[in-house]
Amino acid sequence: AQSVTQLDSHVSVSEGTPVLLRCNYSSSYSPSLFWYVQHPNKGLQLLLKYTSAATLVKGINGFEAEFKKSETSFHLTKPSAHMSDAAEYFCVVSPVDDYKLSFGAGTTVTVRA
Amino acid sequence: DTGVSQNPRHKITKRGQNVTFRCDPISEHNRLYWYRQTLGQGPEFLTYFQNEAQLEKSRLLSDRFSAERPKGSFSTLEIQRTEQGDSAMYLCASSERQVFGNSPLHFGNGTRLTVT
Repeated sequence: AQSVTQLDSHVSVSEGTPVLLRCNYSSSYSPSLFWYVQHPNKGLQLLLKYTSAATLVKGINGFEAEFKKSETSFHLTKPSAHMSDAAEYFCVVSPVDDYKLSFGAGTTVTVRA
Repeated sequence: DTGVSQNPRHKITKRGQNVTFRCDPISEHNRLYWYRQTLGQGPEFLTYFQNEAQLEKSRLLSDRFSAERPKGSFSTLEIQRTEQGDSAMYLCASSERQVFGNSPLHFGNGTRLTVT
């Protein structure tokens, strides 16, 4: 069984400052991990994925995430927030080669001008 | 790649009515998934197809729910005798199968159902 905990339900940052979204997971197997973003009234868009090739994963729009097995964490970061980053972010875990994704509850990001 | 397409975008129905949603996956993807998302929550898995075969159904999918994927192309999700608790965003996703590791899911924009 696998599960995901997103540690912050809401994060507010100023434009141009760093963003950190925290995610912890539990999994019985070596997991695949993903971050998805959802803008209002839109579907989910894949930001990045980890599948054991490298612990630091770079994604789209300047986001990256680091897999830390010892801490069972997969935190998402961006050095400089942009207004367009305001959205809902989901951390997702899945056992390798399985189709059942487990989503976290989501973190809402607000960007202040 | 035209993406995953879902219709309708919004559906308002009265309690007790039947509704049907359609999903057109990315054409070369053989896997298709349905998820449900309620307000303030992450999506929850409902069911999964590989080609035309429905391989798993979540316990969330009561007998009032049925999904089909004839010919392994588009899929429909029908809800019979809708209840107010069925109000949610219904998301469809597709993926291609990779030999190793998970192929990421590509999501549609969803169908928002409101049961009055």
